[in-house]
Amino acid sequence: DIQMTQSPSSLSASVGDRVTITCRASQSIANYLNWYQQRPGKPPRLLIYPASSLHSGVPSRFSGSGFGTDFTLTISGLQPEDFATYYCLQSYSAPWAFGPGTTVEMK
Amino acid sequence: EVQVLESGGGLVQPGGSLRLSCAASGFSFSNYAMSWVRQAPGKGLEWVSGIDGSAINEYYADSVKGRFTISRDNSKNTLYLQMNSLRADDTGLYYCGRAIFGVVTCDYWGQGTLVTVSS
Repeated sequence: DIQMTQSPSSLSASVGDRVTITCRASQSIANYLNWYQQRPGKPPRLLIYPASSLHSGVPSRFSGSGFGTDFTLTISGLQPEDFATYYCLQSYSAPWAFGPGTTVEMK
Repeated sequence: EVQVLESGGGLVQPGGSLRLSCAASGFSFSNYAMSWVRQAPGKGLEWVSGIDGSAINEYYADSVKGRFTISRDNSKNTLYLQMNSLRADDTGLYYCGRAIFGVVTCDYWGQGTLVTVSS
């Protein structure tokens, strides 16, 4: 089974900052990588799939990159509504797996 | 408007059973794969199970294989998750999602239904 890791597990940032989150797969998943945002008490929200394509309605300050085993999610110009937890998810092969999450907190 | 609405959660004793439902509307249900994802209190997301639109292929996380069964009734636009031999670590909020690509890339989710396994 493919395992997913994320780093850091949490970070503190301010409005306007540039934030980068890393996701790594235990084996190559090509570009079959999703990024989700989850705010407290809410369901997940699809941000990016596959790897670098922004989902409909997602602000352009979000971007994704990577291929194979290493991926990044970047938020350029953090906004108040972006303080949340971010998860990667490999959709390459079953059983599919989320990463453990990265919480972006207000500094 | 696309909507999915989970129901069926509740308190159940260890070893018990529960069936979750997910009612879908606003889209052609049979054309979409669906997935269940859960979240234990204060923890991260865990993919649980998925099924394709025609209900031919089912997929399960190792943690639930042999205990949970996913199914769908396309005539009723409803997804199900039959959960047997429940354990304390099955406790959590269960979300269903509509997949826009493959079985697990979901764009619409419900608000979840809470399952609590406790004596």
